[in-house]
Amino acid sequence: DTGVSQDPRHKITKRGQNVTFRCDPISEHNRLYWYRQTLGQGPEFLTYFQNEAQLEKSRLLSDRFSAERPKGSFSTLEIQRTEQGDSAMYLCASSLAWRGGTDTQYFGPGTRLTVL
Amino acid sequence: DAKTTQPPSMDCAEGRAANLPCNHSTISGNEYVYWYRQIHSQGPQYIIHGLKNNETNEMASLIITEDRKSSTLILPHATLRDTAVYYCIVRDLYNQGGKLIFGQGTELSVKP
Repeated sequence: DTGVSQDPRHKITKRGQNVTFRCDPISEHNRLYWYRQTLGQGPEFLTYFQNEAQLEKSRLLSDRFSAERPKGSFSTLEIQRTEQGDSAMYLCASSLAWRGGTDTQYFGPGTRLTVL
Repeated sequence: DAKTTQPPSMDCAEGRAANLPCNHSTISGNEYVYWYRQIHSQGPQYIIHGLKNNETNEMASLIITEDRKSSTLILPHATLRDTAVYYCIVRDLYNQGGKLIFGQGTELSVKP
C-alpha cells in the first residue's frame, strides 16, 4: 500500500453514461498525475496537477474527459458519454516535487473501467 | 514515445539474481533512469532511480554504464513474488513536467 487510494476499484457502465473516479494522494504530496492503461500496454500519461493547477494535458484527454483538483488535495477524473474504447485501468499517482530535486511518483491501485 | 528498449520477456530461477537490461542510447544529461514494476492488475510500484552513479536500496541495485546509454536492474535473490512487468523509464524532470513515459517493459517470470 503506497498511501494513494482510488475509488471505485471497479466500475461497469453502459455506453453513453458519465462516470467519475476519485484519487486521494499521499497527504503532503503537491503533484498528482492521471494515467490510463489498456490491456497489454504500459500506462499512458493523461494529465497532471501541481497543487490545484492543471499544468499539462495529453492529447489523449479528449473533450469528454475532465479532471479537477479543487483544493490541491484529492482529484476527480470524469468521463462523459463513455465509449467502449474508454475501457481501461485508470491510474493515479502522486509525488512531492521540490525545487532542484527529483520527485518519485507513487501509484494507487487503479480503477478498472468496463464500458458495455 | 518511450526512449528505452527492453527485452519483452525473461525467465529467472527462484533464488538467483535477475538482471534486467535497458538501452537508452539517446539519454541526455539531465535525464534520470527510473525503474518501476507492475504485478498483474496492480498499480506500478517504484523500485529505484539514478542519474549517473550506481544505486542500491532494499529492493534492487541499478547499474548505469559510464556513457549512460544503458543500465541494468538487479534483483539479487529473485522470489516468485518478483514475477511482474518491469519498466525502465528515462525521465526528463525539467522539460516534460515530470510525467513518466512507459514502454512495453520486460515481463519477468521467476520459476521455482
